[in-house]
Order: sequence, then structure tokens, then C-alpha cells
Amino acid sequence: EPEVTQTPSHQVTQMGQEVILRCVPISNHLYFYWYRQILGQKVEFLVSFYNNEISEKSEIFDDQFSVERPDGSNFTLKIRSTKLEDSAMYFCASSEAFLAGLYNEQFFGPGTRLTVL
Amino acid sequence: QQQVKQSPQSLIVQKGGISIINCAYENTAFDYFPWYQQFPGKGPALLIAIRPDVSEKKEGRFTISFNKSAKQFSLHIMDSQPGDSATYFCAASGISNFGNEKLTFGTGTRLTIIP
Repeated sequence: EPEVTQTPSHQVTQMGQEVILRCVPISNHLYFYWYRQILGQKVEFLVSFYNNEISEKSEIFDDQFSVERPDGSNFTLKIRSTKLEDSAMYFCASSEAFLAGLYNEQFFGPGTRLTVL
Repeated sequence: QQQVKQSPQSLIVQKGGISIINCAYENTAFDYFPWYQQFPGKGPALLIAIRPDVSEKKEGRFTISFNKSAKQFSLHIMDSQPGDSATYFCAASGISNFGNEKLTFGTGTRLTIIP
């Protein structure tokens, strides 16, 4: 069964350093998302991406964050200058082609645990 | 107005019992209400979902009950099994003509099924 994969599974970085989290969405999917989950808290939406541009972003997704689809398979989240409060589990998700009026399931990857020291 | 409130935070149920998790929302633009199941070390996985045009949806041992006027929905797990032990998240989303909208998640319920 196709699945979303994410690397690395755990990333430890120093405050102020740049990190890039990588995701390989399901191959025929066209919509991509990043969510994060701070330990013990709910899953929060960061950004959605379609047709090589951001569709929607949350208040959390400030200028320190960026997303990119550098090739036909990868989808990346970059945090330019990490802060302690960026420590969280980051989930990538993808969904397939959109049908008007229908909701297409978002499939989640296993997550990358980011620890900022 | 974007919040989804979920209760209880944790739940312990005996094997064979009924597990009930409740959620409430405020945004009347929400049009799709999924439940996600998450095992340790894994991402959330869709369990069952409902649109507000029906009051109940059943898939196997899992049932969503939906009360549009009260803006509440709940997950019932019948004949709960130890393998159901996981964290459950309710969520809500809108549906537009332009694409999937973001999921707004509840705070999660850690369910433990004891023998």
C-alpha cells in the first residue's frame, strides 16, 4: 500500500540553525501539507501546497518557514533559524486529485521529531 | 471559532466495553468531520469520517454520531479491544471548490483498553 515517507525520523539541532525536513508524498497525489504536534498537544496545520505554490498557511508559518517541491517526488519544509519552541513532531500529508464538493483523505507520514537545543 | 474541543483527555475501558469520545466545534463552515487514530511512532491515520447531512455513520465496530444543531459529534467504539489502544483525534474541515481545506484537530484522547 502506498504511503507517505519522511526523513529523518529524528533531527536534533542547535537554536539558530537551519533545518530541512523531507517528505515523499504518495506518487499520484497533488496536494501536500505540513502539520506539527508539540509534545502532548494537538496536531496543528502549518501549510498546504498545490501546483507549486502555497494554497494556505497558518499564523505559525511565518517568514522563518518555507516549503518547496524541488523535484517530482520530494516535498520539503525548511526552518531558517530554529527556535526552542520549534521543537515538535512535524507531519507531512498528501491527498490526491481534487473533486469539487468532495473531501479527499489526507494521508499522513510517520513524522519527523525535531528537537531544538 | 476555529477550535475543535475534545474530551476526555484520557479514557480507560475494559475489553469488550464501549469507548465514547466527544467533540464539539464552533465554526458552522466546517463540512467534514473525520476521526484519526494514532499509534505511538506513527502518523495519524483516518479511521472514519462523516458529512453533516447524516446523523450517524457506522463502519464495523466504529460509529460516528453527529448532532448538527448542537455542533457536536462523537466516536463510539463497540466491543473495544486491546488493539484499539491508541490516541484518537477528532478533526474538522471545510470543503471548497478550490481544494481540500486544512484539518483542524481536537486535542486528542489517549484510549487504553484493559483486559
